[in-house]
Parts: sequence; structure tokens; C-alpha cells
Amino acid sequence: NAGVTQTPKFQVLKTGQSMTLQCAQDMNHEYMSWYRQDPGMGLRLIHYSVGAGITDQGEVPNGYNVSRSTTEDFPLRLLSAAPSQTSVYFCASSYFWSSGANVLTFGAGSRLTVL
Amino acid sequence: AQTVTQSQPEMSVQEAETVTLSCTYDTSESDYYLFWYKQPPSRQMILVIRQEAYKQQNATENRFSVNFQKAAKSFSLKISDSQLGDAAMYFCAYPQGSGTYKYIFGTGTRLKVLA
Repeated sequence: NAGVTQTPKFQVLKTGQSMTLQCAQDMNHEYMSWYRQDPGMGLRLIHYSVGAGITDQGEVPNGYNVSRSTTEDFPLRLLSAAPSQTSVYFCASSYFWSSGANVLTFGAGSRLTVL
Repeated sequence: AQTVTQSQPEMSVQEAETVTLSCTYDTSESDYYLFWYKQPPSRQMILVIRQEAYKQQNATENRFSVNFQKAAKSFSLKISDSQLGDAAMYFCAYPQGSGTYKYIFGTGTRLKVLA
């Protein structure tokens, strides 16, 4: 099925460990992004990309790293996990409309717990 | 800073009744888009409706409609003939700045539908 695929769906880490959340889309979307969802805070943008080789920071980028080597993939790396990074992470993609009309297609989310 | 505010953390509606979820936003843009997304218990984010700011006419999608008041920077979602399947978190969202794609989400409103 066409869409956004996130792996893993669940992960438990210890403080200081590193890991990568994978995101892949097969819709040839130029725009890809990562959000974290915390209770009472909605979704906050971590990093985004408007094409291969182009990334930029969102609202809460600290502690996370991204790269975009292909149109399809946009992995999110946690360099040294902290309990404050316990959250549900969503990857989302869309076509690139300069007018801002793009509708985001979301992955199913990844629940990360850092002990 | 540009923001999106949802002042109702939780709402309840009787099945078959109508409910309105509020959203206000702050922007200096003159042309932009606004979105409502739904997140059911499955956690999957789904687009509900989209409004183009330059259009005077309020957007409608079946039982879902918006009350868009540009001058007041208000973007309410009205759900008519509420159904049990409408129970979810609802997020108002706004892509900040034309061409930047920094989506800003509100904190969400949890809608309960009572049988």
C-alpha cells in the first residue's frame, strides 16, 4: 500500500543509547518531516526536508539529527537518548506546494520510551 | 511567534448532535491554508478538512464544515450529526510562512461522543 512507513512502532532505550527511527514513503513526495507528540502539547516539528540533500530545523531540533540522501527515506537519529525524548514520533510527507496547500500524509507513529 | 491555539482540551457531544471545536491562530501572512486533522485511538493522523484563506466560502466535507473568520483569525470545526466514530483528538494546523513548511499544530481537542 502506498503511504508512509515508520519503523519501529515501539522502542525502549536506556539513557545515553543512540538509535534511528526509520521513515520511508513511496509517493514521490518532496517534503518530509518529523514531529513529536507529547500530552497537552500537540505535535511539534523536529526537522523537515524539502528534497534530497536539503534539511532544516523545526521547533525542537536539539538532540536529533536527520539526513535526506534519497527522496524516499528520511531517518531520524537520536544521538544520546534522554528521558525527555520519551514521546510518540510521527513522520509525515507531502508534495511541495509553494502556496502551502500541501496535505500531510502521516506514518502510524513510533512510541519511544527512554529509561 | 506565530501560534495556533485550541482552547478546549476536551469536548463531549451526544450522538447525532452538533459540536463546534475552536481554533485561533496568529499570522502575518495574507494568503495561507488552514487544516483540521483527526487522530482516532489508532493514533493515525487523518486530514479532515482544509481551508484556503483567500476564499470567502467556508470549506465543507460531508458532515464537517468550518467557520473561517479571517479578520478574527478564527477557524472553527463544526461536526454535524455526530457519530461514535468521530471520537478522536482533533488538531488545528497551519503551515507557517509560504514555502517554509514549518507546520504549527494546536494542542488538540479530545472529542467524546456519547451514545
